[in-house]
Amino acid sequence: DGGITQSPKYLFRKEGQNVTLSCEQNLNHDAMYWYRQDPGQGLRLIYYSQIVNDFQKGDIAEGYSVSREKKESFPLTVTSAQKNPTAFYLCASIDRMYNEQFFGPGTRLTVL
Amino acid sequence: AQTVTQSQPEMSVQEAETVTLSCTYDTSENNYYLFWYKQPPSRQMILVIRQEAYKQQNATENRFSVNFQKAAKSFSLKISDSQLGDTAMYFCAFFGAGSYQLTFGKGTKLSVIP
Repeated sequence: DGGITQSPKYLFRKEGQNVTLSCEQNLNHDAMYWYRQDPGQGLRLIYYSQIVNDFQKGDIAEGYSVSREKKESFPLTVTSAQKNPTAFYLCASIDRMYNEQFFGPGTRLTVL
Repeated sequence: AQTVTQSQPEMSVQEAETVTLSCTYDTSENNYYLFWYKQPPSRQMILVIRQEAYKQQNATENRFSVNFQKAAKSFSLKISDSQLGDTAMYFCAFFGAGSYQLTFGKGTKLSVIP
C-alpha cells in the first residue's frame, strides 16, 4: 500500500535536547512538507521540499532543521533553539497531478 | 501571502440534518486550488473535497458539496444527511500553484448530535 509513515507516534524530549522526527513516503511524490499543529491554530508550515537536496523555510522555521537526501525521506529535527516544541507534527507529500496533499498519521512531541 | 479564514470555531448539527461550514480566503494568485480536510479524533487528515479555481462548477462528493464564489473569495462546505462519523475538525485550505504552499484556516469543530 502506498502512503506516508511517520515515526515515532509519541516522542518525549527533555529540554535542551535535539530530536528527529521521521517521515517516509512511497508515493513517488517529489514535494514533501512539515506542519505543526497547536490547539486553535490550525496547521502551520515549517519547511517544504520540492526536490531532493533542496528545501525552503515555511512560516515558522526557527528552531527546526530538515534534510532531503532521498526522494522518499524528509526528516525534521527539532533543535534546542525551538522554545515551545510541544505540539503535533504532520508530514505530507503532494500529488502534482491534482495538487492534493497526502498526510502521514503524525507525531506528538512533548517536552518534559 | 494567502490567508484563509474560518469564522465558525464550533458548530453542531442534528443527525440527518444539513450543515454549512464557512470559509473565505484572500489571494492575488489566479491559479489555485481549494480543499476541505477532515480531522477526526484520530488526528489523521482526510481529504473531503477539492475545487479548482478555474472551474465554475461546484464540486460534489456524495453527501459533501461546496459553494464556490470566486469573486467573493468564498468556499463553503455543505454536509447533507449528517452522520455521527462526520464529527471532526474541518479545515479549509488554499493551494497556490505559484507559491506551492498549502495554507490552512484555523478549523471548525463540528459535532453531530444523535
